[in-house]
Amino acid sequence: DAGITQSPRHKVTETGTPVTLRCHQTENHRYMYWYRQDPGHGLRLIHYSYGVKDTDKGEVSDGYSVSRSKTEDFLLTLESATSSQTSVYFCAISPGEPNTEAFFGQGTRLTVV
Amino acid sequence: AQSVTQLGSHVSVSEGALVLLRCNYSSSVPPYLFWYVQYPNQGLQLLLKYTTGATLVKGINGFEAEFKKSETSFHLTKPSAHMSDAAEYFCAVSPTGANSKLTFGKGITLSVRP
Repeated sequence: DAGITQSPRHKVTETGTPVTLRCHQTENHRYMYWYRQDPGHGLRLIHYSYGVKDTDKGEVSDGYSVSRSKTEDFLLTLESATSSQTSVYFCAISPGEPNTEAFFGQGTRLTVV
Repeated sequence: AQSVTQLGSHVSVSEGALVLLRCNYSSSVPPYLFWYVQYPNQGLQLLLKYTTGATLVKGINGFEAEFKKSETSFHLTKPSAHMSDAAEYFCAVSPTGANSKLTFGKGITLSVRP
C-alpha cells in the first residue's frame, strides 16, 4: 500500500469551529488531493496541490482552505465548520506522468454537530 | 469540463454470474479512464486504468474493461462474480497530462447473492 496516513480518522466537532485534517505521505509524490465523499455524489475534489506552496481549487472548495509547506504534508482546514461539511474526507497522492494512478488514504470521517 | 455517468446506484448478481458495471464519460479530448473499488470503511483501490494503447484493459481480481471511444464508454466486466466482489465501484476520468485530477462518477454498489 502507498504510504499515506490521514489524521484524525474520526472527528466530531461543533458548528462554527475550525477543523484541520492532515494528510502525510512517505512516497515523495508531487501531487496531493483532498476529496469528500457523500452518498449519491461519489467523490468530489476540494483542493489539490502540485508542489510545495502550489495549490488550486477543486469543484467544491467553498469553506475550505489548504496548505502544503512540505512535500509530505497536505493540510485541509474547515475555517468554520458547518453541518453540510459532515462527510468522509479522502486524501490522495499521485506521482504524475507517466504513472497517472492516484493512491488513496483510509479516509477521515468528520461529523459536524 | 469532464463528467462521468454511472447509471443506477445498485447492481445485484448471483455468485458465478457475469458482472457488468456501466460507465460513460464526457470529455473534449480522449481522457485517461479508471475504475476504483471501495470496500466498507476503506479507501479506494485501483482496479484498472486505460491511458493509451490496447483498449481492452485487464485489472486485478479478474476484472477487465474496454475503452470504446465511439461510444464514450468504459464498462467494467467480470465473467464470474464472487462473494468477495461485493463493494462500491467508481468510474473516474482525468485529463491527459501530469495531473491526475480525477472526476468521479457517483458509484455503483455491487451485491453478490449466494
